[in-house]
Amino acid sequence: GAVVSQHPSWVICKSGTSVKIECRSLDFQATTMFWYRQFPKQSLMLMATSNEGSKATYEQGVEKDKFLINHASLTLSTLTVTSAHPEDSSFYICSARRQGLSNQPQHFGDGTRLSIL
Amino acid sequence: AQTVTQSQPEMSVQEAETVTLSCTYDTSESDYYLFWYKQPPSRQMILVIRQEAYKQQNATENRFSVNFQKAAKSFSLKISDSQLGDAAMYFCAYNSQGGSEKLVFGKGTKLTVNP
Repeated sequence: GAVVSQHPSWVICKSGTSVKIECRSLDFQATTMFWYRQFPKQSLMLMATSNEGSKATYEQGVEKDKFLINHASLTLSTLTVTSAHPEDSSFYICSARRQGLSNQPQHFGDGTRLSIL
Repeated sequence: AQTVTQSQPEMSVQEAETVTLSCTYDTSESDYYLFWYKQPPSRQMILVIRQEAYKQQNATENRFSVNFQKAAKSFSLKISDSQLGDAAMYFCAYNSQGGSEKLVFGKGTKLTVNP
């Protein structure tokens, strides 16, 4: 089955640090990947849509310069939280869909728990 | 814009019993997909079941089935013979068939299974 790997699963760092999260599709190619943020006891909120070879599309209210997305290959998208502060602490999840199969469901990574001290 | 509403923040069920989780959505599109995802305490997002809007037949996956009422824009999930491992957050989600591939999630329902 389709597998999406997300790394790291948990990161703790000091305020002001930049943190990079990787999302890889292990056994399929994905021209589009999605980045979500989830606060405790809340639903998933889409942050941005990552498109291979082009700029990401950000949802309203999401700071592009704060959350840098790079989708350099068909199997890898990265989310960099720049100059992270305690309010950026959250659970970040990526998802991907097989290239060319728009009727297939998205497959999710296991998420990254980010804690900023 | 599409919206998804889950009106039950929490539900509970006795082990081996049946429970139904509600979901309604709002859209002007005629072709789309609907999903139920399960998120256990580990926070993995696990696909439970999906339904294509053009199919009249309700989707079924083992103990999980849906009641899809397109005209009413309703998409409820029925869990039969509930097991302790079914305890989790359940999210209903909407996806357009074409154009934007974004998933729109409901706020979720926390399901507790009592032994």
